[in-house]
Amino acid sequence: NAGVTQTPKFRVLKTGQSMTLLCAQDMNHEYMYWYRQDPGMGLRLIHYSVGEGTTAKGEVPDGYNVSRLKKQNFLLGLESAAPSQTSVYFCASSYSPGLVDTQYFGPGTRLTVL
Amino acid sequence: AQKVTQAQTEISVVEKEDVTLDCVYETRDTTYYLFWYKQPPSGELVFLIRRNSFDEQNEISGRYSWNFQKSTSSFNFTITASQVVDSAVYFCALKAPSTGANSKLTFGKGITLSVRP
Repeated sequence: NAGVTQTPKFRVLKTGQSMTLLCAQDMNHEYMYWYRQDPGMGLRLIHYSVGEGTTAKGEVPDGYNVSRLKKQNFLLGLESAAPSQTSVYFCASSYSPGLVDTQYFGPGTRLTVL
Repeated sequence: AQKVTQAQTEISVVEKEDVTLDCVYETRDTTYYLFWYKQPPSGELVFLIRRNSFDEQNEISGRYSWNFQKSTSSFNFTITASQVVDSAVYFCALKAPSTGANSKLTFGKGITLSVRP
């Protein structure tokens, strides 16, 4: 049981390039989330998904797109990377969105945009 | 609005000292959950504890203990006899119905704890 995994672990992009971050979970969780972590800012929610085929915006969605074609995978895309998107990206999943349910996090992807 | 404040940004202690990490939250909801996560130098986020708003009993798990006080809207975390392996960034987070986004987690900015040998 690997939990939540993220690919890649590190990436360096040039401004304007595109890329996709992959999140996979093997816990049969319905809900998946993408956060970004910036120094002194804590974690902020980018997008989330309440089930296969659904996505919704979080608090900082601009510049990102997501897709949830399969229940176990949640993809985060950057169409035209900007230096402001330099961050550590975390994926998380939970069985339900309920208050009691705990979100479990992946190991993170460190992205640098030059 | 929901808010989590971790006023301490960095704490440095010597091994075997006790240390308390403070967390103060704001919410208008009466039902909510509070969480602590640990982020060691390796970078992953590790879930430590979850506490609901109706349970004010203190929690103890080995060297870790948590003190939840609704009267002061605080959920503080104490590490007893700290060890070098406790060095990490610790995040407090809040989950409440009115956060929207299907009860998203609202995180504090984190406290960097350094435990020196």
